[in-house]
Amino acid sequence: GAGVSQSPSNKVTEKGKDVELRCDPISGHTALYWYRQSLGQGLEFLIYFQGNSAPDKSGLPSDRFSAERTGGSVSTLTIQRTQQEDSAVYLCASSSRGGRYYQPQHFGDGTRLSIL
Amino acid sequence: DAKTTQPPSMDCAEGRAANLPCNHSTISGNEYVYWYRQIHSQGPQYIIHGLKNNETNEMASLIITEDRKSSTLILPHATLRDTAVYYCIVRAYAGGTSYGKLTFGQGTILTVHP
Repeated sequence: GAGVSQSPSNKVTEKGKDVELRCDPISGHTALYWYRQSLGQGLEFLIYFQGNSAPDKSGLPSDRFSAERTGGSVSTLTIQRTQQEDSAVYLCASSSRGGRYYQPQHFGDGTRLSIL
Repeated sequence: DAKTTQPPSMDCAEGRAANLPCNHSTISGNEYVYWYRQIHSQGPQYIIHGLKNNETNEMASLIITEDRKSSTLILPHATLRDTAVYYCIVRAYAGGTSYGKLTFGQGTILTVHP
């Protein structure tokens, strides 16, 4: 079946430009997460959406980062005025929510963002 | 979430079992042990998870000690395609302020050689 889809797979942009990264979660998954992975580093949590609840934005590194999830499905991560330190692989994951319990997260292959 | 400790790297011969250890001595009663792996240039792939009983699926087996302070992921017949970074993660099973987010450490680089 279809997994988590992210686009674009690669993005190269100049410093100061805005970028939008897209995530299509697995159909029916109510929870959606964004992480980023910098070169040689572990995954860093950014933001979490669960159904219609207010998102957990506690991992966003600055106010240049924002994310939205429309219709409980597709999500867009936006980075404004990009800086070189934003260069990383941005990963999206989704999971179902079995009652109160968290189900395993399934990841896309990420968007590799390079800021020149 | 509890902290985990894994060896930085391991080698395994193709066709042999790969046994990847993980220590999680501060694990609490509502925390599961999850294993993911990440093959180069791909997103992390879910492998298996468990609470206190041993678990097996089509990919691997998970052995959790009785005191739950450590676990071992077993790939019964490793192939070259199993070469990846393997992450052991402890995560609350419900509720709390962590919202189920995963905290990845540095993992174990498993190299399967011919």
